[in-house]
Amino acid sequence: QKEVEQNSGPLSVPEGAIASLNCTYSDRGSQSFFWYRQYSGKSPELIMFIYSNGDKEDGRFTAQLNKASQYVSLLIRDSQPSDSATYLCAVIGWTGTYKYIFGTGTRLKVLA
Amino acid sequence: DAGITQSPRHKVTETGTPVTLRCHQTENHRYMYWYRQDPGHGLRLIHYSYGVKDTDKGEVSDGYSVSRSKTEDFLLTLESATSSQTSVYFCAISESADEQPQHFGDGTRLSIL
Repeated sequence: QKEVEQNSGPLSVPEGAIASLNCTYSDRGSQSFFWYRQYSGKSPELIMFIYSNGDKEDGRFTAQLNKASQYVSLLIRDSQPSDSATYLCAVIGWTGTYKYIFGTGTRLKVLA
Repeated sequence: DAGITQSPRHKVTETGTPVTLRCHQTENHRYMYWYRQDPGHGLRLIHYSYGVKDTDKGEVSDGYSVSRSKTEDFLLTLESATSSQTSVYFCAISESADEQPQHFGDGTRLSIL
């Protein structure tokens, strides 16, 4: 089992729809969770972080964390073609030292 | 944007030659990281630093060495480059290891022929 798992996609949604991206993690002790957006040929860009159970909203983005079920989600409302990118989930776990663990990413395609 | 500069941005070299990539930060962050990103593998940690002269290995450290003589600079060296080290290399920085996010430089595209 991978430490952080994401569906590789592509996830295709029509423009204006809600895109839902999911990530599961294996370390129950993980406390910090991050979402990055990576456009093709570019570096990962932090878009959201969440530390507590529940929802955290920032503009069109909402991060959702459920520690009991060990998943974190990213919702993108009113999706735009410019949101088309790969979205990486990252989790900080502890293995005797803190470890920043990335998923392999979900490719999102927003269709105009 | 976090002040992170990677150099060079692109490099083509031959097998067996030494290569050094530089990461420079202006944020005074304690932690610095080197990753490589390859299709199908995602981001993989090569080495990281938790202070001047303090470094440790990541999951794919074989064939790579690092040095950090100043807070702002973290160097990645391929002593004798191989074609398997052709990749995109990213530097990242963070204020702490336990809860702060990492911020990435623009990357170096390295091709070894």
